Amino acid sequence: DAGITQSPRHKVTETGTPVTLRCHQTENHRYMYWYRQDPGHGLRLIHYSYGVKDTDKGEVSDGYSVSRSKTEDFLLTLESATSSQTSVYFCAISADRGRSPLHFGNGTRLTVT
Amino acid sequence: SQQGEEDPQALSIQEGENATMNCSYKTSINNLQWYRQNSGRGLVHLILIRSNEREKHSGRLRVTLDTSKKSSSLLITASRAADTASYFCATDHYNTDKLIFGTGTRLQVFP
Repeated sequence: DAGITQSPRHKVTETGTPVTLRCHQTENHRYMYWYRQDPGHGLRLIHYSYGVKDTDKGEVSDGYSVSRSKTEDFLLTLESATSSQTSVYFCAISADRGRSPLHFGNGTRLTVT
Repeated sequence: SQQGEEDPQALSIQEGENATMNCSYKTSINNLQWYRQNSGRGLVHLILIRSNEREKHSGRLRVTLDTSKKSSSLLITASRAADTASYFCATDHYNTDKLIFGTGTRLQVFP
């Protein structure tokens, strides 16, 4: 899968707890993205990164923060998880924003109880 | 929202038949991409068509793009049971850094 690893693959957490999801790539791609996938909504962009320490918001960024201290790692943090953040989270990478294909990880299924 | 829309939402066909799914979008694009997602997996890129192209082929896939109608179609010919998956279009819009995904078409191919 184009050298992308997401961890954990599954997580159950309680409302109000912090959660960090990790995306690791071995492709040395500049762009990294976090999407969430929910029934009826397709994929929606949460945050993306265009380089180390360079990040920007997507369309559903409220309640989420990201960090990218190394090219290969992009972390998504839910500071205080809510039930509305129950979803499947996908990380994706690309060599060039929008102009080249995205390569996706296999997702993290997060359940907030 | 710039999110594209796909139709149909679900499609069931027999092996050997052709499957056509459509994608519409709202604002001008640089390119449009199609992805496939098998159950429980991440999306896999199928094909990219640029705004100055009208048709593109890849194996059993044929994609068309009509920028005047802001729409695209994906045709899978001679479908197989292994084509069962969800298919998504994604659009790269002018002056943005983001790909916008549609809501997807669920294709079921019966043997």
